[in-house]
This record gives sequence, C-alpha cells and structure tokens, in this order.
Amino acid sequence: DTGVSQDPRHKITKRGQNVTFRCDPISEHNRLYWYRQTLGQGPEFLTYFQNEAQLEKSRLLSDRFSAERPKGSFSTLEIQRTEQGDSAMYLCASSLTSGLGYGYTFGSGTRLTVV
Amino acid sequence: QKEVEQNSGPLSVPEGAIASLNCTYSDRGSQSFFWYRQYSGKSPELIMSIYSNGDKEDGRFTAQLNKASQYVSLLIRDSQPSDSATYLCAVFNNNDMRFGAGTRLTVKP
Repeated sequence: DTGVSQDPRHKITKRGQNVTFRCDPISEHNRLYWYRQTLGQGPEFLTYFQNEAQLEKSRLLSDRFSAERPKGSFSTLEIQRTEQGDSAMYLCASSLTSGLGYGYTFGSGTRLTVV
Repeated sequence: QKEVEQNSGPLSVPEGAIASLNCTYSDRGSQSFFWYRQYSGKSPELIMSIYSNGDKEDGRFTAQLNKASQYVSLLIRDSQPSDSATYLCAVFNNNDMRFGAGTRLTVKP
C-alpha cells in the first residue's frame, strides 16, 4: 500500500464548471476525511466518513459541495458551479478509528484553481 | 476565539539551536493532540502525537501538554535547515481534528 492517493494533483477550471476529485485511502483505514487549505491557513475540516457513512459535514460545505464514499473504499468530492473562492488545496486524509484519535495520513492534495 | 491558535511567525533560529513552537486550544474536552510538519507546496505529515499531560520525546522532538492551561508545545533540539517548514498544531475531539494556522519556522545555517 502506497499511502493515500489523490487525483488529479492539479485542476484548473472556469468559474461555473463542475469538478470532481478522487481520494483512495490506505486500505485498512475505515475513516476518510476531506479538508480544504488556503495559503497561510491550516487545513479546514469539510467532512468525514466512517466506512461508507458520512458522519459529519462542516458548515463550510455549502450545497454546491457533495462527497461520497461508495462501498467504504475510495471517496469523491464534487464541487458544482465553481466560484473563485473555491480555489484552494483540497486534502484527503485517512485513519483508523480510535476514541483518542490516531494521527491522520494525508494525501498529496488536489490544487484547484478557478479562473 | 479560534479553536486552535498558533503564533504565525515566522520564527527564525540558527542551526543547532532549540526551536520552541506553541499552541493553545479552546475546547477543554479535547482528547488528543498532534504536531504536523508541512513543507511548502506539500501536504502535512505527522511528526508527534501526545495524549497525556507532560512531555513526550521522539528523537530531536519533544511535545509538551498541559491540559489545565490548554497548551501544547513542540521543542525541536539541534535544529537543522531541513526543519524549515510550517508546523501545524492539531487537536482531536468529537471524531474530527481541527488545525491551527501553523507557525512558519526557518532554521538558518
């Protein structure tokens, strides 16, 4: 297993277009998280899954954002009608479940630029 | 008040010195605490975790936790130029992790 994989690494899109990102977590990890990071800021929580169930969504996740994790394996994050403010690095992370919380393993991220 | 606060820096130390990075958090129910290192243009990588009050050492890194003061710190001994990066403090509670904005560290040769 080579860690958490994200695809694509970079995406440039025109405002108003839809984009979809993919994340493949570490295979034995049952938790998967999506974060967004802008320049000079720490990662901001968007949503997370335990297996295939989406258990929490941040208020940052407007109705233009949707995430899925079919069959508890890979996950997709879709942004509809993109806006310039959506330009950011989108990070996926995975972990095992623990009451205390294991540290997350992050993927390399998808850098989105909306022009 | 932000959930996790860090001094944004930049913090500059000479090679071989001790770098001290600090973090405070607002939720007293927070369960566990992490330090991540993030090089420019890269994703965060976990370097330390700490769950109990006191110190935890791992090589050149020491994490310190004081839950009563809601304070976490990271000490880097014998700092190297390769330690130059942004250090993110992260706090785990209620099934997800919240990050500070990070402290940018520069180690000068």
